[in-house]
Amino acid sequence: EAQVTQNPRYLITVTGKKLTVTCSQNMNHEYMSWYRQDPGLGLRQIYYSMNVEVTDKGDVPEGYKVSRKEKRNFPLILESPSPNQTSLYFCASSDPISPLHFGNGTRLTVT
Amino acid sequence: AQSVTQLDSHVSVSEGTPVLLRCNYSSSYSPSLFWYVQHPNKGLQLLLKYTSAATLVKGINGFEAEFKKSETSFHLTKPSAHMSDAAEYFCVGGGNEKLTFGTGTRLTIIP
Repeated sequence: EAQVTQNPRYLITVTGKKLTVTCSQNMNHEYMSWYRQDPGLGLRQIYYSMNVEVTDKGDVPEGYKVSRKEKRNFPLILESPSPNQTSLYFCASSDPISPLHFGNGTRLTVT
Repeated sequence: AQSVTQLDSHVSVSEGTPVLLRCNYSSSYSPSLFWYVQHPNKGLQLLLKYTSAATLVKGINGFEAEFKKSETSFHLTKPSAHMSDAAEYFCVGGGNEKLTFGTGTRLTIIP
C-alpha cells in the first residue's frame, strides 16, 4: 500500500530536549515536505526537499532542521524544542505528476 | 505570489442538503488549485484539483468545484451532504513545492 509513515503519532517532551520525527514514503517520490498545522492558520510549510541531498526552507523554518540522505526518508529535527513548537506536524511526498500524499500526523507537545 | 482565502471557518448543514464551502484565490498567473479534506486524526486527502483543463472539476465522494476566473473563486459543492462528510476542508493553491493553504473550513453535518 502506498503510504507516508510518520513516527511517533504523539510526543510530549520538555523544552530543550532534542527530538526527531521520522517520515518515510514507499512510493519512490522525489519531493518531500514538512508542514505544521495550528488552529486558525491552516498548514504552513517548514522545509521541503526536491531530491536526495537537496533541501530548502519553507515559510516557517526557524527552530527546525531536516536531512535527506535517502530518497524514502525525510526526518524533522528539533535541536532545542520550545513551547511555541507545540503543534500538529505533517509530512508529505509527491512526484511531478501526482498530488501530495500526507502522513497521518504527529502531535507534538513541548512543556 | 498566490494566496487563498476560505471565507467560512465553520459551516453546518443538515444531512441530505447541499454543501457549499467557499474559497477565493489571488494569483498573478493561472493558478493550480486543490481541495483537501482532513478527517479527525488523519492526514489530508485530495478531493479534487484544478489545472486549467476544465473549469468544473469533479472529485471523489460526490464533491465538485468550479473555477470562476471573473470572481477569483473556487468553491466546493456537493448536492447532498452525508454524515461521513463531517471533516475539515482546505482550499490550497500553487505547485507541490510551494503550496499555500487556506485556514480551513470545519463542516458539521446535522442529523
